[in-house]
Amino acid sequence: DAGVIQSPRHEVTEMGQEVTLRCKPISGHNSLFWYRQTMMRGLELLIYFNNNVPIDDSGMPEDRFSAKMPNASFSTLKIQPSEPRDSAVYFCASSQGSLNSYNEQFFGPGTRLTVL
Amino acid sequence: AQSVTQPDIHITVSEGASLELRCNYSYGATPYLFWYVQSPGQGLQLLLKYFSGDTLVQGIKGFEAEFKRSQSSFNLRKPSVHWSDAAEYFCAVGAPSMYSGGGADGLTFGKGTHLIIQP
Repeated sequence: DAGVIQSPRHEVTEMGQEVTLRCKPISGHNSLFWYRQTMMRGLELLIYFNNNVPIDDSGMPEDRFSAKMPNASFSTLKIQPSEPRDSAVYFCASSQGSLNSYNEQFFGPGTRLTVL
Repeated sequence: AQSVTQPDIHITVSEGASLELRCNYSYGATPYLFWYVQSPGQGLQLLLKYFSGDTLVQGIKGFEAEFKRSQSSFNLRKPSVHWSDAAEYFCAVGAPSMYSGGGADGLTFGKGTHLIIQP
């Protein structure tokens, strides 16, 4: 199994540009999560999907952030327009869960975003 | 809302010495607790997890953790650390999804403890 795949691994862009981060979850997993890691705020949950449906996006910082999961094997996190304070490492994770059980989340390697 | 506190930002331990990393949580029901490790520039790897049952759980790389409900704690331990254990350690709490579609809710992480190993 290839694990959770994220692309790109590094992204450098200028303020105001659109940024799209991509994630391919582990095959068969039905939950997908986007997290952001910064020195100041640590690891924060941005949004998560169950069975391709967005369940909780309360962690999305602003309307500039949007996420989609068009099918079970692909998700995107988009920032438009990007700002320097969006610089962080963005992690995607997936898990296979069911009611009354909880399975571990498998994390991707992350995308390091730098907005100049 | 759930929360996790890791009171130690940095810990320095000599190689071969024992280790304990502290974690306290706040959650309204039976918690699902996790410890993850992150090496520099890497993603997060699960060390161990607690769902129910025996309160002392064993994980990978010789780590263990003990769930103490009365203290709302889930401290991570290792009897003898190796230089390769130097990393960032995160405690996290999660819950099963309340939605009919199944799956899991997102994790709430502590701020992490940076472990330094002295030769």
